[in-house]
Amino acid sequence: GESVGLHLPTLSVQEGDNSIINCAYSNSASDYFIWYKQESGKGPQFIIDIRSNMDKRQGQRVTVLLNKTVKHLSLQIAATQPGDSAVYFCAETFTGGFKTIFGAGTRLFVKA
Amino acid sequence: GAVVSQHPSWVICKSGTSVKIECRSLDFQATTMFWYRQFPKQSLMLMATSNEGSKATYEQGVEKDKFLINHASLTLSTLTVTSAHPEDSSFYICSAQRENEQFFGPGTRLTVL
Repeated sequence: GESVGLHLPTLSVQEGDNSIINCAYSNSASDYFIWYKQESGKGPQFIIDIRSNMDKRQGQRVTVLLNKTVKHLSLQIAATQPGDSAVYFCAETFTGGFKTIFGAGTRLFVKA
Repeated sequence: GAVVSQHPSWVICKSGTSVKIECRSLDFQATTMFWYRQFPKQSLMLMATSNEGSKATYEQGVEKDKFLINHASLTLSTLTVTSAHPEDSSFYICSAQRENEQFFGPGTRLTVL
């Protein structure tokens, strides 16, 4: 079936560096994408989202890029901090209340 | 706003018993809630979509007679794991939908001995 996948299962970065987490999706009909952060033993926490009519969206220290041509999604975290250490999931869904499909996840380690 | 709670946060039960997990939207009404299961070091897998006042919609491969879902009010959905076995041990997470956004609960860790 269709799924959302990630290129890197783990990512280790130095504190203060920028982090880039990638995601590939296969369902061209998806029109809404979300990045979630999950800390150990907790539920997913919304980070940022983007709709299919946009290529880029910026938040506080985070940027999401969407390349619909190659069905690729990325999350950029600027000046990565130890508190950013977690597992990050991309997810795709459809406007109108359809279910959300999660990608495999990338674990981000931030070295002090 | 948009807070979702789950109860209990963790539970340990004996094999063969049933366990009920509650999901509540505390400050909004949710006609639709979702139940996910997450095994260690894996992603969230959607189990079912819970609709207030109607039967839940289960994903392929999820046994509806084993995972009973009840969405009796606009703020509460329950998941009952019937005749639990060790392989049902997992992290169960619910989410509640408000407009086009999903808000996730903190999860329930189920351990079946």
